[in-house]
Amino acid sequence: DTGVSQNPRHKITKRGQNVTFRCDPISEHNRLYWYRQTLGQGPEFLTYFQNEAQLEKSRLLSDRFSAERPKGSFSTLEIQRTEQGDSAMYLCASSPGTFTSNEQFFGPGTRLTVL
Amino acid sequence: QQQVKQSPQSLIVQKGGIPIINCAYENTAFDYFPWYQQFPGKGPALLIAIRPDVSEKKEGRFTISFNKSAKQFSLHIMDSQPGDSATYFCASKLQGGKLIFGQGTELSVKP
Repeated sequence: DTGVSQNPRHKITKRGQNVTFRCDPISEHNRLYWYRQTLGQGPEFLTYFQNEAQLEKSRLLSDRFSAERPKGSFSTLEIQRTEQGDSAMYLCASSPGTFTSNEQFFGPGTRLTVL
Repeated sequence: QQQVKQSPQSLIVQKGGIPIINCAYENTAFDYFPWYQQFPGKGPALLIAIRPDVSEKKEGRFTISFNKSAKQFSLHIMDSQPGDSATYFCASKLQGGKLIFGQGTELSVKP
């Protein structure tokens, strides 16, 4: 399967714990995006990377959230001191990042439940 | 100004019908307009997309109509099938690639 992969697919944690999600983009895609989706809503942008550089962060991304893409390949999203309001589907997408290609391809998501 | 407003919230059609989903935007800096299909528990899947210099684009049974002056665009699904039952999201892209999504339309196609 050469699509975007995300792990784990589901995560249940207790309030106050730290969690980390991983995203593996489509090979050779330069851009990688993180979105958050709550039930009944469209995805909301969190942050994106061009290769290993983090170029934009949403105001939704509080200090408890940190994302990395250390070698310009896979990315991790960490949430520290989780809160119940963090419960959502966390989606990763990748894009070739070229001028002529705007397509973003999404992974299956990681569903986080904070008890 | 970065909002994308999508309607209707839900839609029920008979098999073979042509559901139409509409989106409106305000920010003229948007430069790419994709539609995504999402099934429960899955990530959004790209269906079709259009640039603002084109008024219509067809791919298979899916058509986007784009009205730049009205800042509106819509998705038409020809000969709809029960397998098309899903949630559909429009989106608009800002420079840099960030997508702003609409609120979604839950489509049900009855046999």
